Amino acid sequence: EAQVTQNPRYLITVTGKKLTVTCSQNMNHEYMSWYRQDPGLGLRQIYYSMNVEVTDKGDVPEGYKVSRKEKRNFPLILESPSPNQTSLYFCASSSLYPPGTSGTNEQFFGPGTRLTVL
Amino acid sequence: DAKTTQPTSMDCAEGRAANLPCNHSTISGNEYVYWYRQIHSQGPQYIIHGLKNNETNEMASLIITEDRKSSTLILPHATLRDTAVYYCIVRVAPRWYNNNDMRFGAGTRLTVKP
Repeated sequence: EAQVTQNPRYLITVTGKKLTVTCSQNMNHEYMSWYRQDPGLGLRQIYYSMNVEVTDKGDVPEGYKVSRKEKRNFPLILESPSPNQTSLYFCASSSLYPPGTSGTNEQFFGPGTRLTVL
Repeated sequence: DAKTTQPTSMDCAEGRAANLPCNHSTISGNEYVYWYRQIHSQGPQYIIHGLKNNETNEMASLIITEDRKSSTLILPHATLRDTAVYYCIVRVAPRWYNNNDMRFGAGTRLTVKP
Protein backbone atom coordinates (compact mmCIF):
# COMPACT_ATOMS: atom_id res chain seq x y z
CA GLU A 1 0.00 0.00 0.00
CA ALA A 2 1.33 3.42 -0.99
CA GLN A 3 1.81 5.47 2.12
CA VAL A 4 3.72 8.05 4.10
CA THR A 5 4.46 7.07 7.67
CA GLN A 6 5.47 9.29 10.55
CA ASN A 7 6.75 8.46 14.00
CA PRO A 8 5.95 9.16 16.69
CA ARG A 9 2.30 10.09 16.27
CA TYR A 10 2.20 11.85 19.62
CA LEU A 11 5.04 13.33 21.63
CA ILE A 12 5.21 15.39 24.80
CA THR A 13 8.64 16.73 25.61
CA VAL A 14 10.36 19.50 27.51
CA THR A 15 12.12 22.62 26.33
CA GLY A 16 15.61 22.00 25.03
CA LYS A 17 15.48 18.22 24.70
CA LYS A 18 16.49 17.30 21.17
CA LEU A 19 14.00 15.22 19.23
CA THR A 20 13.56 13.71 15.78
CA VAL A 21 10.33 13.01 13.96
CA THR A 22 10.80 10.41 11.28
CA CYS A 23 9.07 10.34 7.90
CA SER A 24 9.22 7.54 5.38
CA GLN A 25 7.50 6.96 2.03
CA ASN A 26 7.34 3.81 -0.07
CA MET A 27 6.44 5.37 -3.43
CA ASN A 28 9.95 6.24 -4.64
CA HIS A 29 9.01 9.92 -4.66
CA GLU A 30 11.68 12.50 -5.30
CA TYR A 31 9.96 15.30 -3.43
CA MET A 32 9.34 15.38 0.30
CA SER A 33 8.21 18.16 2.56
CA TRP A 34 7.40 19.05 6.16
CA TYR A 35 4.48 21.23 7.23
CA ARG A 36 3.21 22.44 10.55
CA GLN A 37 -0.42 23.21 11.20
CA ASP A 38 -1.57 25.68 13.82
CA PRO A 39 -5.09 26.96 14.53
CA GLY A 40 -5.91 29.97 12.39
CA LEU A 41 -2.64 29.74 10.45
CA GLY A 42 -3.31 26.77 8.20
CA LEU A 43 -0.49 24.56 6.97
CA ARG A 44 2.89 26.20 6.62
CA GLN A 45 5.87 24.62 4.96
CA ILE A 46 8.98 24.13 7.10
CA TYR A 47 11.49 22.46 4.78
CA TYR A 48 11.37 20.56 1.55
CA SER A 49 13.61 18.28 -0.46
CA MET A 50 13.71 17.86 -4.21
CA ASN A 51 15.84 14.72 -4.04
CA VAL A 52 18.53 12.97 -2.04
CA GLU A 53 20.96 15.46 -0.48
CA VAL A 54 18.91 18.40 -1.80
CA THR A 55 16.99 20.33 0.84
CA ASP A 56 15.75 23.88 1.12
CA LYS A 57 13.90 26.15 3.50
CA GLY A 58 10.18 26.66 3.36
CA ASP A 59 8.26 29.47 4.98
CA VAL A 60 8.99 28.72 8.66
CA PRO A 61 12.36 26.92 8.94
CA GLU A 62 13.66 28.56 12.14
CA GLY A 63 14.34 26.03 14.88
CA TYR A 64 14.23 23.01 12.58
CA LYS A 65 16.70 20.89 10.65
CA VAL A 66 16.19 18.18 8.07
CA SER A 67 18.29 15.67 6.20
CA ARG A 68 17.74 13.54 3.10
CA LYS A 69 20.35 10.82 3.02
CA GLU A 70 18.02 8.27 1.47
CA LYS A 71 15.21 8.78 -0.97
CA ARG A 72 12.56 7.25 1.24
CA ASN A 73 13.36 9.07 4.50
CA PHE A 74 13.12 12.71 5.48
CA PRO A 75 13.49 13.21 9.24
CA LEU A 76 12.63 16.48 10.97
CA ILE A 77 15.01 17.44 13.75
CA LEU A 78 14.34 19.88 16.56
CA GLU A 79 17.72 20.52 18.18
CA SER A 80 16.36 22.57 21.07
CA PRO A 81 12.57 22.52 21.07
CA SER A 82 10.66 25.46 22.47
CA PRO A 83 6.97 25.81 23.44
CA ASN A 84 6.23 27.79 20.26
CA GLN A 85 7.01 24.61 18.31
CA THR A 86 4.01 22.91 19.84
CA SER A 87 2.03 22.01 16.76
CA LEU A 88 0.66 19.33 14.47
CA TYR A 89 3.29 18.26 11.96
CA PHE A 90 2.76 16.62 8.59
CA CYS A 91 5.19 15.04 6.20
CA ALA A 92 4.28 14.85 2.52
CA SER A 93 5.75 13.37 -0.63
CA SER A 94 5.13 13.50 -4.36
CA SER A 95 6.77 12.59 -7.61
CA LEU A 96 8.40 15.23 -9.80
CA TYR A 97 8.25 15.17 -13.55
CA PRO A 98 11.58 15.18 -15.40
CA PRO A 99 12.47 17.77 -18.06
CA GLY A 100 10.58 17.36 -21.28
CA THR A 101 7.56 15.80 -19.66
CA SER A 102 4.55 17.32 -18.05
CA GLY A 103 1.84 16.35 -15.69
CA THR A 104 0.17 17.18 -12.49
CA ASN A 105 0.55 15.14 -9.43
CA GLU A 106 -0.78 14.89 -5.96
CA GLN A 107 0.92 15.12 -2.64
CA PHE A 108 0.58 12.24 -0.25
CA PHE A 109 0.47 13.25 3.39
CA GLY A 110 1.40 11.30 6.48
CA PRO A 111 -0.99 10.87 9.41
CA GLY A 112 0.54 13.68 11.43
CA THR A 113 2.61 14.03 14.60
CA ARG A 114 1.15 16.01 17.45
CA LEU A 115 4.02 17.59 19.37
CA THR A 116 3.73 19.34 22.71
CA VAL A 117 6.75 21.14 24.14
CA LEU A 118 6.45 22.06 27.81
CA ASP B 1 -0.17 31.63 -7.07
CA ALA B 2 -3.71 32.96 -7.34
CA LYS B 3 -5.72 33.63 -4.19
CA THR B 4 -8.89 31.62 -3.53
CA THR B 5 -12.05 32.45 -1.60
CA GLN B 6 -14.22 29.77 -0.04
CA PRO B 7 -17.17 29.87 2.36
CA THR B 8 -16.17 29.21 5.93
CA SER B 9 -18.67 26.43 6.48
CA MET B 10 -21.46 24.48 4.82
CA ASP B 11 -23.91 21.79 5.80
CA CYS B 12 -25.23 18.97 3.65
CA ALA B 13 -27.75 16.21 4.25
CA GLU B 14 -26.48 12.68 4.05
CA GLY B 15 -27.12 11.15 0.64
CA ARG B 16 -27.50 14.50 -1.08
CA ALA B 17 -24.97 16.18 -3.32
CA ALA B 18 -22.54 18.54 -1.65
CA ASN B 19 -21.55 21.49 -3.82
CA LEU B 20 -18.54 23.40 -2.56
CA PRO B 21 -17.76 26.68 -4.36
CA CYS B 22 -14.42 28.37 -4.81
CA ASN B 23 -13.65 31.77 -6.31
CA HIS B 24 -10.30 32.34 -7.97
CA SER B 25 -10.82 35.45 -10.07
CA THR B 26 -7.09 36.16 -10.51
CA ILE B 27 -6.21 32.71 -11.83
CA SER B 28 -3.59 32.65 -14.57
CA GLY B 29 -3.75 30.61 -17.74
CA ASN B 30 -1.18 28.08 -16.55
CA GLU B 31 -2.65 27.56 -13.08
CA TYR B 32 -4.58 24.48 -12.08
CA VAL B 33 -7.37 24.15 -9.54
CA TYR B 34 -6.68 21.52 -6.89
CA TRP B 35 -8.96 20.22 -4.18
CA TYR B 36 -7.81 18.52 -1.00
CA ARG B 37 -9.66 17.66 2.16
CA GLN B 38 -8.65 17.11 5.76
CA ILE B 39 -10.69 14.90 8.02
CA HIS B 40 -10.31 15.90 11.66
CA SER B 41 -6.56 16.50 12.03
CA GLN B 42 -5.59 13.66 9.69
CA GLY B 43 -3.21 14.37 6.84
CA PRO B 44 -4.76 16.24 3.91
CA GLN B 45 -6.02 14.01 1.14
CA TYR B 46 -5.99 14.80 -2.56
CA ILE B 47 -9.41 14.79 -4.21
CA ILE B 48 -9.19 16.09 -7.75
CA HIS B 49 -7.64 18.75 -9.94
CA GLY B 50 -8.34 20.41 -13.28
CA LEU B 51 -7.18 23.10 -15.67
CA LYS B 52 -10.22 24.16 -17.70
CA ASN B 53 -12.27 21.09 -18.49
CA ASN B 54 -14.64 19.51 -16.03
CA GLU B 55 -13.16 16.50 -14.31
CA THR B 56 -14.61 13.48 -12.57
CA ASN B 57 -13.07 10.67 -10.59
CA GLU B 58 -14.29 8.11 -8.10
CA MET B 59 -14.42 10.66 -5.31
CA ALA B 60 -15.86 13.81 -6.85
CA SER B 61 -16.52 16.03 -9.84
CA LEU B 62 -14.92 19.37 -10.52
CA ILE B 63 -16.80 21.98 -12.51
CA ILE B 64 -14.74 24.96 -13.71
CA THR B 65 -16.51 27.94 -15.24
CA GLU B 66 -15.64 28.91 -18.77
CA ASP B 67 -13.79 32.04 -17.65
CA ARG B 68 -12.02 29.92 -15.00
CA LYS B 69 -12.72 32.49 -12.31
CA SER B 70 -14.59 30.02 -10.14
CA SER B 71 -15.11 26.32 -9.65
CA THR B 72 -17.34 23.90 -7.75
CA LEU B 73 -16.41 20.61 -6.16
CA ILE B 74 -19.30 18.17 -6.18
CA LEU B 75 -19.57 15.17 -3.88
CA PRO B 76 -22.49 13.40 -5.54
CA HIS B 77 -23.80 11.41 -2.57
CA ALA B 78 -22.34 12.81 0.61
CA THR B 79 -21.86 10.47 3.56
CA LEU B 80 -21.06 11.20 7.19
CA ARG B 81 -17.44 10.28 6.46
CA ASP B 82 -17.22 13.21 4.05
CA THR B 83 -17.39 15.62 6.98
CA ALA B 84 -14.07 17.48 6.67
CA VAL B 85 -12.38 20.74 5.79
CA TYR B 86 -12.13 21.14 2.02
CA TYR B 87 -9.34 23.20 0.51
CA CYS B 88 -9.37 24.79 -2.93
CA ILE B 89 -5.85 25.59 -4.12
CA VAL B 90 -4.76 27.30 -7.30
CA ARG B 91 -1.21 26.86 -8.48
CA VAL B 92 0.94 26.06 -11.45
CA ALA B 93 1.50 22.43 -12.25
CA PRO B 94 4.40 20.96 -10.29
CA ARG B 95 7.55 20.49 -12.27
CA TRP B 96 10.84 18.80 -11.63
CA TYR B 97 12.38 22.15 -10.66
CA ASN B 98 9.50 23.46 -8.49
CA ASN B 99 8.94 23.43 -4.81
CA ASN B 100 5.77 21.39 -4.85
CA ASP B 101 4.24 22.97 -1.76
CA MET B 102 0.51 23.41 -1.58
CA ARG B 103 -0.71 26.72 -0.13
CA PHE B 104 -3.60 25.65 2.05
CA GLY B 105 -5.92 28.45 3.13
CA ALA B 106 -8.71 28.21 5.68
CA GLY B 107 -10.92 26.01 3.50
CA THR B 108 -14.60 25.17 3.89
CA ARG B 109 -15.73 23.09 6.82
CA LEU B 110 -18.35 20.72 5.41
CA THR B 111 -20.64 18.99 7.89
CA VAL B 112 -22.73 16.14 6.56
CA LYS B 113 -25.77 15.59 8.73
CA PRO B 114 -27.90 12.45 9.06
